[in-house]
Parts: sequence; structure tokens; C-alpha cells
Amino acid sequence: GAVVSQHPSRVICKSGTSVKIECRSLDFQATTMFWYRQFPKQSLMLMATSNEGSKATYEQGVEKDKFLINHASLTLSTLTVTSAHPEDSSFYICSASTGRHQPQHFGDGTRLSIL
Amino acid sequence: AQSVAQPEDQVNVAEGNPLTVKCTYSVSGNPYLFWYVQYPNRGLQFLLKYITGDNLVKGSYGFEAEFNKSQTSFHLKKPSALVSDSALYFCAVRDHASGGSYIPTFGRGTSLIVHP
Repeated sequence: GAVVSQHPSRVICKSGTSVKIECRSLDFQATTMFWYRQFPKQSLMLMATSNEGSKATYEQGVEKDKFLINHASLTLSTLTVTSAHPEDSSFYICSASTGRHQPQHFGDGTRLSIL
Repeated sequence: AQSVAQPEDQVNVAEGNPLTVKCTYSVSGNPYLFWYVQYPNRGLQFLLKYITGDNLVKGSYGFEAEFNKSQTSFHLKKPSALVSDSALYFCAVRDHASGGSYIPTFGRGTSLIVHP
């Protein structure tokens, strides 16, 4: 149980393209979803936290207009990287949680490469 | 405020030997503690958690962790390492205190390398 599906797993696109990444909790309802960015050999950098039906809470330094997060239902959150540039290339990971006492369940990540 | 430290960037151990991956934390209240493992180009997988109760927590794949309140530590251990245990390990903490953040803080990660 507690499976999180993240799609796509890999994206290669040209600079200026907008890219949407989906994160779905398949067998549970996620009260909170998290979006992380991970650089090579580095830890997770929390980008934003979202609760269903409300606006995402962005971490300091993360551009809201650049990284659009939509949490339309208890099982789906999307991250859209708008007008992506090479510096946006990274590994993006989503996770979902059912509550404060519970562990996070992670998707398998999306490798984004902007040419 | 909550924080977590993983003092070792890398741990090397021979297959069959016991392994320890260190984690220390700081919270204002009581901690919720978690260990996760990440294989290359994958998301993180939950290994085990400490919420309350026994200080020794057993988790997936033969891993266990010991909660030590006096030393504010939650080291990950396994009696006999396997080559397939080689991965990146993350410790995370969440403060149980009233008003504490519900967002966990992750350590920087420790790369475990198990040599045949």
C-alpha cells in the first residue's frame, strides 16, 4: 500500500518549454503533498507544500510563478515548470503524507533536462 | 526549530559486517524520526520510524534504529551488510511540540557503500 506514482520519469526538452509533472497517490488520500528538488549528490530541497484545494506554500527562494503547483484533489498534485531553462535541469521528487504522524511516501522522481 | 545532522557523507563497510549510519537531531518538543533509503534515479523509500514506545525500532530489509534521547541520536543499524544495501540514506525529523512544523526536515544524506 501507500504507492505514489510520479509521471513522467524523464523529460528532455528545449529551453523555453513548459513542463508538467504529475504526482498521484494511488491507494490512499493524501492530505499533504510535497515537492522537492535534488541536485547531484545533494540532499532534498523542499520547494513547496500543498494541501488539497488550497494554494501551495512555497519555501523561501522558490519562485511561485516559475514553479506552479496545483493540488486539485486528494490524490493528485501537479508541478509545472514554466518557460524552463537549463538551470532548471534537476531531479524533481514528489511525496505524499496522510498525516503528521505518518511517513512520507515518495514518487520515483522526474529527471528534467533542459537543452 | 528542528534540525537534523548526518555527520558522515559516506560510510564504507565490507559485506557481512555490521553497519551504522549516524543521525542526530534537535527539536524543541519530542521528535518524530524517520529513515529513508534512495537508490539511484529513484525516489525515497521509507525504512522505519520512531514516534513513541520502544527505543529500538525495527524496519524494512533488516534495518533497525535506536532512539537515544540523552544523546539526541537515531542511528541506523544493520547486523550484516549486503552489497545491495549500497544506497543513499536520509534521516528526517519532525517536531511533536505544539505548534511545531508538520513538515519534516531531512538530513543531507549519507552514501553507504558495501564492498564485496
